[in-house]
Amino acid sequence: QVQLVESGGGVVQPGRSLRLSCAASGFTFRTYGMHWVRQAPGKGLEWVAVVSYDGSSRYYADSVKGRFTISRDNSKNTLYLQMNSLRAEDTAVYYCAKAVVEYSSGAGGGMDVWGQGTTVTVSS
Amino acid sequence: SYVLTQPPSVSVAPGQTARITCGGNNIGNKNVHWYQQKPGQAPVLVVYDDSDRPSGIPERFSGSNSGNTATLTISRVEAGDEADYFCQVWDTDSDHYVFGTGTKVTVL
Repeated sequence: QVQLVESGGGVVQPGRSLRLSCAASGFTFRTYGMHWVRQAPGKGLEWVAVVSYDGSSRYYADSVKGRFTISRDNSKNTLYLQMNSLRAEDTAVYYCAKAVVEYSSGAGGGMDVWGQGTTVTVSS
Repeated sequence: SYVLTQPPSVSVAPGQTARITCGGNNIGNKNVHWYQQKPGQAPVLVVYDDSDRPSGIPERFSGSNSGNTATLTISRVEAGDEADYFCQVWDTDSDHYVFGTGTKVTVL
C-alpha cells in the first residue's frame, strides 16, 4: 500500500540542526512532487517546503527560507528536510506529503498521501 | 501574503448538512483542496481541485468554489465526521502553498 514514514525528529537546542527523512513505498516516488508540512502544538497546518518530482524546483515558506533545505533521493525513495538554525517556533509535528499530480513541478495541487508525522521540539 | 479565512467552528446534528467556508481574495480563480484531520492523526485529503473526491472518500463530501468563497459541504453528517477541516490553495503571486485557519466540526 501507499505509505510515507517520517523519522529523525527529536529534542534539539536552539541554533542546532536536525535532518528529517521520509521513506516512501507503494508508489512511483520519482514521478511525484513531495512536501513537508508542519503543525505546532494546538495550531493549524503550515506548509514548509515542496520539491518537484525530479528535484529541479524547490519552494519554501518565508518562515524557513534560508534555514531549511528540502531534497530527495529518488534512488532511495526518500525525502529529506535539513533544518538548520532551529528556533523555538519550529517546534511542531512535521509531516511529509505526496503531491496529487504526477510529474508535478511543485507549483500547485493538493496532497493526497501523508505520513504519520515526526515531532521536533526545539528547547534549551 | 494570501490569507484563507475559515470559521473556527461549525456545529451540526447527525443527518443534517454541514457547510464549511473558506474565504480568500478571488479564490474562485484558484484550485482549492480540503483536508480532514482527526485528533492525533495525519490530515486526509477529502476534496481536491475544488470538487473532485479521492478514491475512498464518500460522496457525502462535496466542494464548490466561486468568487471569494470556497465551500466544503458534508451531507448526511455522521459522528465520524467530527474533525478539523482545512482548505488549501497555491498562491501564484508568492509561490507559496497556503492553508486556511481551520474549522472544527462538532456533531451534536
